[in-house]
Amino acid sequence: DVKVTQSSRYLVKRTGEKVFLECVQDMDHENMFWYRQDPGLGLRLIYFSYDVKMKEKGDIPEGYSVSREKKERFSLILESASTNQTSMYLCASSLLSEAGYEQYFGPGTRLTVT
Amino acid sequence: AQKITQTQPGMFVQEKEAVTLDCTYDTSDQSYGLFWYKQPSSGEMIFLIYQGSYDEQNATEGRYSLNFQKARKSANLVISASQLGDSAMYFCAMREGATSNSGYALNFGKGTSLLVTP
Repeated sequence: DVKVTQSSRYLVKRTGEKVFLECVQDMDHENMFWYRQDPGLGLRLIYFSYDVKMKEKGDIPEGYSVSREKKERFSLILESASTNQTSMYLCASSLLSEAGYEQYFGPGTRLTVT
Repeated sequence: AQKITQTQPGMFVQEKEAVTLDCTYDTSDQSYGLFWYKQPSSGEMIFLIYQGSYDEQNATEGRYSLNFQKARKSANLVISASQLGDSAMYFCAMREGATSNSGYALNFGKGTSLLVTP
């Protein structure tokens, strides 16, 4: 059974803290993605990676960085958390091909920054 | 510019009735894919159905079908015989093809909240 796991379902952090959100997939997928979901805005792409140590900015990368040291793991880093980063964060993975169409999502991390 | 437009923020449908959730898209690619995902209140994103731009037949998966009208750039989701468990947010998404530099990331619409009533 395919699986994408995220390190926490719920997280509460203080303004200015460094926050790590971890995502692991067991499907040997090349592509991994971090999305942010806010009410009324749908899902927006923060960063993606198509290979180990490779990363590309998505639509809203400001205030975030990522790390992909191993193929199965993709980390999202909030260098200095701010209240406007309170959101649901969703990780996804997929094959690196047009034929590999489906993205598999993790359960999400609901982050609150106070 | 918004690439995926879902014009219905919320919809109601009675149990056992059919419902259509609207989705229009904007792309200049010839090769692209269209998806629908369901997100229940628990938060997980559940893949429902996929339509490739070159697929001539409308996709179907059980009670879900995708009404693909390429010339109109629409990809509406039809749920037949609605069930109470269908109450959820529904997202339309598009993956663009060769001209995309987003690693085949998905562009999502803002979603439609569906409530199925007894």
